[in-house]
Amino acid sequence: NAGVTQTPKFQVLKTGQSMTLQCAQDMNHNSMYWYRQDPGMGLRLIYYSASEGTTDKGEVPNGYNVSRLNKREFSLRLESAAPSQTSVYFCASSEARHRTDTQYFGPGTRLTVL
Amino acid sequence: QKEVEQDPGPLSVPEGAIVSLNCTYSNSAFQYFMWYRQYSRKGPELLMYTYSSGNKEDGRFTAQVDKSSKYISLFIRDSQPSDSATYLCAMSALSGAGSYQLTFGKGTKLSVIP
Repeated sequence: NAGVTQTPKFQVLKTGQSMTLQCAQDMNHNSMYWYRQDPGMGLRLIYYSASEGTTDKGEVPNGYNVSRLNKREFSLRLESAAPSQTSVYFCASSEARHRTDTQYFGPGTRLTVL
Repeated sequence: QKEVEQDPGPLSVPEGAIVSLNCTYSNSAFQYFMWYRQYSRKGPELLMYTYSSGNKEDGRFTAQVDKSSKYISLFIRDSQPSDSATYLCAMSALSGAGSYQLTFGKGTKLSVIP
């Protein structure tokens, strides 16, 4: 039982390049989330998927797209990377059926855009 | 005003001290209150949760919620160097998509000095 896994762990991009961050969970959770974490800004929600087949914007969705490929996998795509997207990206999952449900986080992807 | 306010610190205390970490919030819709712990270069992990006003204890940790003042606290007794981490408060409310969403504080970085 690996929990939430993310690939890659590190990535360096040049401005304008594209890439996809992958996330998978093996806990049979309904909901999945993408956050970014920046110094002094805390964790901010980019996109979430309340259930398979649905996605919704979070607090900071501009410049990103997501795909809920199936119940296990939720990917985040940067179509044209910008230096402002340099951050640590975390994927999380939860049952999200009850207010007491916990979000479980992956280890993060450290992205640098030059 | 941000929905959740948390002093980022850093906070440095000697081993054995009592630590008090705090968050305030403005959204009365928040129903469920959590503390996450994040070690350096790791994803956040749930430490404690509570959903009613009052205190909840778990070993050396006590979570306190005062809904009338919109104020939550985490107390750490007999602090240890292994408690050195960033502590994030988080609060949940029902989203328009019918799932519970978390709003995080910015996190307080704690160092416990041997």
